Amino acid sequence: GAVVSQHPSWVICKSGTSVKIECRSLDFQATTMFWYRQFPKQSLMLMATSNEGSKATYEQGVEKDKFLINHASLTLSTLTVTSAHPEDSSFYICSARGAVNTEAFFGQGTRLTVV
Amino acid sequence: KQEVTQIPAALSVPEGENLVLNCSFTDSAIYNLQWFRQDPGKGLTSLLLIQSSQREQTSGRLNASLDKSSGRSTLYIAASQPGDSATYLCAVNGNNRLAFGKGNQVVVIP
Repeated sequence: GAVVSQHPSWVICKSGTSVKIECRSLDFQATTMFWYRQFPKQSLMLMATSNEGSKATYEQGVEKDKFLINHASLTLSTLTVTSAHPEDSSFYICSARGAVNTEAFFGQGTRLTVV
Repeated sequence: KQEVTQIPAALSVPEGENLVLNCSFTDSAIYNLQWFRQDPGKGLTSLLLIQSSQREQTSGRLNASLDKSSGRSTLYIAASQPGDSATYLCAVNGNNRLAFGKGNQVVVIP
């Protein structure tokens, strides 16, 4: 299958700072990328959907000013957690699709810990 | 809103037994369904994709069936191995959005 690379795999940051997570499709062009959050022993919660060159669409309850998403090219999307707080600590996973409703491929995930 | 349920939540089987994992969903208006594997602390690995027009899909020891009208999918893993220990997630795709179940946590005992 296609490869989606996510970096970093883990990060620890101080409360109040910002953290950027990158998601790259390595061998295909991703028209749509998705960002999820996963709590322990829970399912994946969709945070936002981004299409290349346009603004991301955020799910209800997700603060767009806190979770900034940029999809500047067909192979790269970034999620920036701004002014991070301990409650933002979680596992974040990105996903990418080459075309609408086709197979989705996922990154390795990023474990964010805010201290 | 699509709701996806996976039963059982957790199971342990001896090595060599066949695994049967169930997924049900409430809205049958789907484009496709994917089964994923997730190891602890890792991302998701796509195992099988079944289009809404298909009844089943096979890859090696894995076979997934889909009954769209009744809102059910089953993942069969033949002759389980300790390396199959993981959480298996079912995801239903409607309008370019995936709805996930909470997963089947599988332990294969050597």
